This record gives sequence, structure tokens and C-alpha cells, in this order.
Amino acid sequence: SQQGEEDPQALSIQEGENATMNCSYKTSINNLQWYRQNSGRGLVHLILIRSNEREKHSGRLRVTLDTSKKSSSLLITASRAADTASYFCATADTGRRALTFGSGTRLQVQP
Amino acid sequence: SAVISQKPSRDICQRGTSLTIQCQVDSQVTMMFWYRQQPGQSLTLIATANQGSEATYESGFVIDKFPISRPNLTFSTLTVSNMSPEDSSIYLCSVEETLGGGEKLFFGSGTQLSVL
Repeated sequence: SQQGEEDPQALSIQEGENATMNCSYKTSINNLQWYRQNSGRGLVHLILIRSNEREKHSGRLRVTLDTSKKSSSLLITASRAADTASYFCATADTGRRALTFGSGTRLQVQP
Repeated sequence: SAVISQKPSRDICQRGTSLTIQCQVDSQVTMMFWYRQQPGQSLTLIATANQGSEATYESGFVIDKFPISRPNLTFSTLTVSNMSPEDSSIYLCSVEETLGGGEKLFFGSGTQLSVL
């Protein structure tokens, strides 16, 4: 069953705007990761945040993690048309090797 | 980072037939994972494949339907057996590498399977 729920399911913004996606999960985790998928192909790893971290940055990406609320957010600043893709959060649950993926957010950036 | 070659990239198959998907990694890895992504859905783990041992299947997936081979540390196959239209999905292999406090996954480009 799906551990992570993401919202919104779909997001459409203009180039230059910021995009925020949220992820909630249910179990205890070691870390939370965000992945990007273009056109239903292989996923690409974006960023990993450990359970003892609250915020992390990588280029135009900013990830927050609130373990008390079991939630995370991914912010993409100054979006570009090339950011159009589906974004998935994935949790590394305590005691389990495989990742559990959220339901995903489809982001459309209009040029 | 690992480079994964997955093939075929897509196939259209008839009901009742089987398809074997191959996944080749450019480095030796301990664990390989096979995921399924049904249309418009997220990824669901099918099984974990370790070299030299039986694959570990997730709830809802069985070896008779999805036999997996892992003959060495760089290669694995997933077979989708006795296919039905409900098996139409993207199938993805992945490997993990340790990075900055956790294991992250590298994915093959996926196999888009359509069953008629």
C-alpha cells in the first residue's frame, strides 16, 4: 500500500514562479528522498534529507522535513519549462531497505 | 554513480505470453530492486533481488508470476509470465548506492509494457 501521499496531485505554474509540493508519510523513517520522472521513464534522484535534518538545499531545490508531523515539502524556485515532470517523495523506512514511494505530483511549467 | 541499461524499452505483447526484462549495471551491486508503475500511478516494489539467493517478493507479488534471476552482481532479469492486460505497466529496475547518510536509488530507463 502507498505510504506517502503527495499534494497537490497536479500543479501548473508559469516560468519563473516557485513550485511547492508536499509529502506526508506514516511510519518511522531513516531518510526521505525526492525523485523526478520525465514522461514515465526512469526516475532521477534529486535530494536526500536525513531524519535528523530539518532543511536542505541543492541549487534551486529546497527540502524541509518535519518528523513530528511526518511531512516534507519540496520547493523549486524560479521554475523553468524544463522542470516539467512528475515528482515523487520516497521514504527509507526504519528496518526496511527498499524505498516506499509517494503518489507523486505532476508539475507543468508554462513558458 | 551507477549506469543501468534496461531492455527492452517497450514491448506490445499478446495475452498469455511472457516477457523477460533485462537489467545490466556497469558496476557490482549487492541489491537490485524491481518496481512496477501502473498507468498514472506511483511505483510499487515487486521484489528485491540479491545475488546468490532467492528474490524477496512484496505482498501481492509471487514468484510464479514474476520470476527473477540474479546470476551475478551486475545483471538481473524479471519475467512477467502469462500476461494479461492488467500487467500493462512500466517496469523499472534500480540499484542502490550509499550517499550522504542514506542509500539512494539509480533507475534504469524502464520498460513500457502493453498487453493486448
